Order: sequence, then structure tokens, then C-alpha cells
Amino acid sequence: NAGVTQTPKFRVLKTGQSMTLLCAQDMNHEYMYWYRQDPGMGLRLIHYSVGEGTTAKGEVPDGYNVSRLKKQNFLLGLESAAPSQTSVYFCASRPQTEPFWGRTFGSGTRLTVV
Amino acid sequence: GDSVTQMEGPVTLSEEAFLTINCTYTATGYPSLFWYVQYPGEGLQLLLKATKADDKGSNKGFEATYRKETTSFHLEKGSVQVSDSAVYFCALSARNTDKLIFGTGTRLQVFP
Repeated sequence: NAGVTQTPKFRVLKTGQSMTLLCAQDMNHEYMYWYRQDPGMGLRLIHYSVGEGTTAKGEVPDGYNVSRLKKQNFLLGLESAAPSQTSVYFCASRPQTEPFWGRTFGSGTRLTVV
Repeated sequence: GDSVTQMEGPVTLSEEAFLTINCTYTATGYPSLFWYVQYPGEGLQLLLKATKADDKGSNKGFEATYRKETTSFHLEKGSVQVSDSAVYFCALSARNTDKLIFGTGTRLQVFP
């Protein structure tokens, strides 16, 4: 099925552990985004990419790193997880030629850091 | 900076009731306004949009009108269904930018 797939869907980490969240899209989209969603707050942009090999910081990039080695994949890394990174993470993508509001979102990864 | 304020939920309604979810915004210039919907277990989907003042966005029976004078973009539906149960996000984007600013989301629960 075409769309944005996020892996894993759920994860529990201990403080200080590292992990990588994978976002994969099979629509040949140029732009990809990582957001986090916290209670009482809207989605906030962590990092984004406008094409293979490029990444840029969003609104809340601290504590995260990203890579876009392949066009279809956008990885979000936590080097040393902290409880403040407990959140639901959403990935999104869109083609360069489409209006910016036409993003396709994944179904989310729920991460708990204890 | 730019921001979006939504009414807190959950909003609980019986099937066929009238729905209003309030959204107001703060922005410089003339932003574009959006409603996204997130069904259980799924990602966000664009529900409707309005790109200039007095525009009315509509989709699936939902409507919202861009009111510049009251800086509002309230979501309405005349008769909700159980299948409308979801979280609804109001969002804005400043003119000619790729950045989306989301509200906190409002959960709608519709009971038969």
C-alpha cells in the first residue's frame, strides 16, 4: 500500500539509551518531515528534509539527529534518550510540486522514556 | 509569533447532533488556514482549507469559513456520525512558507 510507514509503532526506552525511528515512503516524495506531538500542544517540527542527502532543523531539534541517505527513508535518531522525549512522533512527506499543505502523514510512533 | 488556539476536548455528541469546534489564530499578514483530522490509529489527513479571507472550505459535510475580522476558522458539521469520531487539528501557514503551525487538537466522540 502506498503511503508513509513508521517503524516501530511503540517503544519503551530507558533514560540514556539510543534508538532510531524509521520513516519510509514509497511515493517518490522529495520533502520529508519529523514532528512530535505532546499533550496540550500541537505538532511541532523537529527536522525536515527537502531531498536526498539534505536535512534542516525545525522548531525543536535539540536531542535529535536525522539522516536522509535514501530518498525514500528519513531516520530520526535519539543518541541519549531523556524522559522529556516521551512523545508521539509523526513523519510526513510531500512531493515538491504539490502545495505544501498536501502532506501525507504516517500513523505515528509512541515513544516512552523511563 | 504565529499561533493557533483550539477549544479543549473531548467534545461528546450524539449521532446527528450539530458540531462546532472553535479555532482562533494569531498571525501577521494573511495566513492560509486548515483543518486536519486524525482517525484512530491513522496519521493526520487534510480535511479542508481556506487560503484567503471569506473563503469557505468544505469536505465530507464539514465546513469552515476564514473570518479575518474575528481571526477565526471554526469547524462545523450539521449532523455528525459515529464515523466522525477523531481528533481534529486546526493549523495555519504564513503566506508562501512551508511551515505549518498546529493547534493542540480537539477530540470528538460521537455516540449512537
